[in-house]
Amino acid sequence: DVQLVESGGGLVKPGGSLRLSCAASGFSFRNYNMNWVRQAPGKGLEWVSSITSSSSYIYNADSVKGRFTISRDDAKNSLYLQMDSLRVEDTAVYYCARAGISTGYFPDYWGQGTLVTVSS
Amino acid sequence: EIVLTQSPGTLSLSPGESATLSCRASQSVSSRYLAWYQHKPGQAPRLLIYGASSRATGIPDRFGGSGSGTDFTLTISRLEPEDFAVYYCQQYGRSPLYTFGQGTKLEIK
Repeated sequence: DVQLVESGGGLVKPGGSLRLSCAASGFSFRNYNMNWVRQAPGKGLEWVSSITSSSSYIYNADSVKGRFTISRDDAKNSLYLQMDSLRVEDTAVYYCARAGISTGYFPDYWGQGTLVTVSS
Repeated sequence: EIVLTQSPGTLSLSPGESATLSCRASQSVSSRYLAWYQHKPGQAPRLLIYGASSRATGIPDRFGGSGSGTDFTLTISRLEPEDFAVYYCQQYGRSPLYTFGQGTKLEIK
């Protein structure tokens, strides 16, 4: 079964840094584009960042450009999100999601999410 | 930037009824690049429909998607108790890479 398990969330002060991880299993991780999507408290879903297979291309939402860095380690079947210069408005549940090949690159499997709280 | 506007914001219906959810794009979107998700509190979002009308694996045929251009619709027939959730439309491929609508909350009347 496909599994995505996020970790690394927690409480951090504004201006601080945090690194999220997503451990993937049950599929050939190296062949899939991967994404981070977040949901702030009481708000809707917001796409954050994407990385293609082989890390050929990286895409970021304007709201995180220059502050967040997505990366992957195919040998470890892992996806990462390095979050720097964190702001209060980055408080959210962060989901790791696989871009399905048969679903036209729409995310078809998601993790349960990890909560990031930015507060002084 | 493409903006997706969903309506209504909240839809109150009873089990057994049918639901019609709308997603309007600020610019024309290829049908290939429009999807619908279901999201329940504390759970991972679930892909329902991709390519505007193709059901994802394991999705019952009570869920149907249609539309083209700027107007897309998710229809849920014979509502079951587990269908009450928040539904999002999403587009792929135009800057930004992915965009979500603001969501429609389907609640039990």
